[in-house]
Amino acid sequence: AQSVTQPDIHITVSEGASLELRCNYSYGATPYLFWYVQSPGQGLQLLLKYFSGDTLVQGIKGFEAEFKRSQSSFNLRKPSVHWSDAAEYFCAVGARGGSQGNLIFGKGTKLSVKP
Amino acid sequence: EAGVTQFPSHSVIEKGQTVTLRCDPISGHDNLYWYRRVMGKEIKFLLHFVKESKQDESGMPNNRFLAERTGGTYSTLKVQPAELEDSGVYFCASSSLGLGEQYFGPGTRLTVT
Repeated sequence: AQSVTQPDIHITVSEGASLELRCNYSYGATPYLFWYVQSPGQGLQLLLKYFSGDTLVQGIKGFEAEFKRSQSSFNLRKPSVHWSDAAEYFCAVGARGGSQGNLIFGKGTKLSVKP
Repeated sequence: EAGVTQFPSHSVIEKGQTVTLRCDPISGHDNLYWYRRVMGKEIKFLLHFVKESKQDESGMPNNRFLAERTGGTYSTLKVQPAELEDSGVYFCASSSLGLGEQYFGPGTRLTVT
């Protein structure tokens, strides 16, 4: 079955520290891959996406993610976390072809930032 | 450009009552999606409209849920009658293309008591 696993429910990092949020997926083929962020009271905002090409993807707000086919992973990274990055982060996959709206999400990782 | 808007932001109803959620997509976006997040679980796909037609409704949980998109603009999601397990946050998203930049609304938090 298709699924997305975000193994960390809650992560706390100090401001200025580096961050890596993990995402693994189970899918029949290489899917489209996304990271979304939800700040309190806001909708989900797309941070970055991978469709094809360079496996290191740059996104907004200084985030990047690396697609590793051999590990079925798409981990999100940021070299230096800011207090405003405190939010919930969702990894999602989408099908290539077929119904192109059916995004499959992980359970999310809530990020807290210590001053 | 206005984003995706949803109304109401929060609804509290009793079991057995009816609730209608509304989503206004970004103007010009033909694709409109509904998702739901039950507490502690994943955000799950409910259905996908292309203009006024249902492209995929495989995620709709049962026939108590009815989604419409008259005229291909805004969409409504009606739950009738509501059950306790329907509680959660209902997200709407829209996109101009079939896949890629789905823009999400802030969600409607539905509480069924």
